[in-house]
Amino acid sequence: KQEVTQIPAALSVPEGENLVLNCSFTDSAIYNLQWFRQDPGKGLTSLLLIQSSQREQTSGRLNASLDKSSGRSTLYIAASQPGDSATYLCAVKTDSWGKFQFGAGTQVVVTP
Amino acid sequence: GAVVSQHPSRVICKSGTSVKIECRSLDFQATTMFWYRQFPKQSLMLMATSNEGSKATYEQGVEKDKFLINHASLTLSTLTVTSAHPEDSSFYICSARGRPNEKLFFGSGTQLSVL
Repeated sequence: KQEVTQIPAALSVPEGENLVLNCSFTDSAIYNLQWFRQDPGKGLTSLLLIQSSQREQTSGRLNASLDKSSGRSTLYIAASQPGDSATYLCAVKTDSWGKFQFGAGTQVVVTP
Repeated sequence: GAVVSQHPSRVICKSGTSVKIECRSLDFQATTMFWYRQFPKQSLMLMATSNEGSKATYEQGVEKDKFLINHASLTLSTLTVTSAHPEDSSFYICSARGRPNEKLFFGSGTQLSVL
């Protein structure tokens, strides 16, 4: 069974610092991996989608890498801002229909 | 971008009542919709997958008679929590698989509190 782990569970940094969030998964047979942002009591916002054949994706200050063979993905957020405070989830797609296995998330707080 | 509308955003009900949650894809056809549940400080757990026009597929441990899912059209899926109990209190989120890419678009979630 696929298991997704996110480390650390929580992270607090001062504004301006770069953020590094880690995600690991036990089964390398994935279709893709997505990073999401979740704000308290709200739904999810997709940040980046990395296909299994890709090694990284970038969008603005966000960069996500994928090493499928080692079962790891890292989300980098450059020059963090207080508005980046949220919980970040990674999820791997485990079948062709769209079933995803989620990690428990990393709660990020960026202090002004 | 694609939008998935979910409502209600919050519902409080008495134990034993049924609650219906709607999930609509507003600007795309969603042949597959997913329902997740999230308990405090835990990860999202997939409850069931619903394909338009067919019966939902439930994950192990999810009672299909308690969590009724209907996906009658390409834009609407509903989750009905029947005879809700306090242990059903949770955050429920739907998502829809959009075309042509494989991104998942999520609803805003429903916080269910059963008294």
